[in-house]
Amino acid sequence: NAGVTQTPKFQVLKTGQSMTLQCAQDMNHEYMSWYRQDPGMGLRLIHYSVGAGITDQGEVPNGYNVSRSTTEDFPLRLLSAAPSQTSVYFCASSYGRTGIYGYTFGSGTRLTVV
Amino acid sequence: AQKITQTQPGMFVQEKEAVTLDCTYDTSDPSYGLFWYKQPSSGEMIFLIYQGSYDQQNATEGRYSLNFQKARKSANLVISASQLGDSAMYFCAMREPTGTASKLTFGTGTRLQVTL
Repeated sequence: NAGVTQTPKFQVLKTGQSMTLQCAQDMNHEYMSWYRQDPGMGLRLIHYSVGAGITDQGEVPNGYNVSRSTTEDFPLRLLSAAPSQTSVYFCASSYGRTGIYGYTFGSGTRLTVV
Repeated sequence: AQKITQTQPGMFVQEKEAVTLDCTYDTSDPSYGLFWYKQPSSGEMIFLIYQGSYDQQNATEGRYSLNFQKARKSANLVISASQLGDSAMYFCAMREPTGTASKLTFGTGTRLQVTL
């Protein structure tokens, strides 16, 4: 089915480990973004991209890296995981750059850093 | 200042009754959009309704309607004829332009519980 696919769904990391959260969409959306959801704080934007080769920082970018080598994929890298990065991570995409056509969300990745 | 404010952490409504979830926003840009998303206990984000800042009429989608009061900067979600399946977290979000792109800012959410 068309949509946004996130893997893995669950992950436990030890402090200092690195990992990549995967996000792929098959809707030819230009815009892709990563959010984290913490209790009582809603979703906060980490990084976003408006096309292959173009990325920019959101509200809470520290500790995370992104790249966009293809239209379809937008991986989120944690270089050295910290307990403060324990959260649920959502990837979202949108047709066009302005978001006026709405955003499609993946099902989320629940990350625990111990 | 918060961009999106949802002042109701939790709400209860009886089945078949209507309920209004509040959302106020803050922006100086004339071109913006307002979204409501539903997040059930399973965790996915489900798009409900969208209102553009230039739209003249309030958005409606089935049992959902958005009470858009531009001068007051409010975008309340109205759910008519509540059903047990409406029990979930509800998030208001605002799309704002950022240069050549846009970003989506979320409120902290309202947990709605529908009772018999």
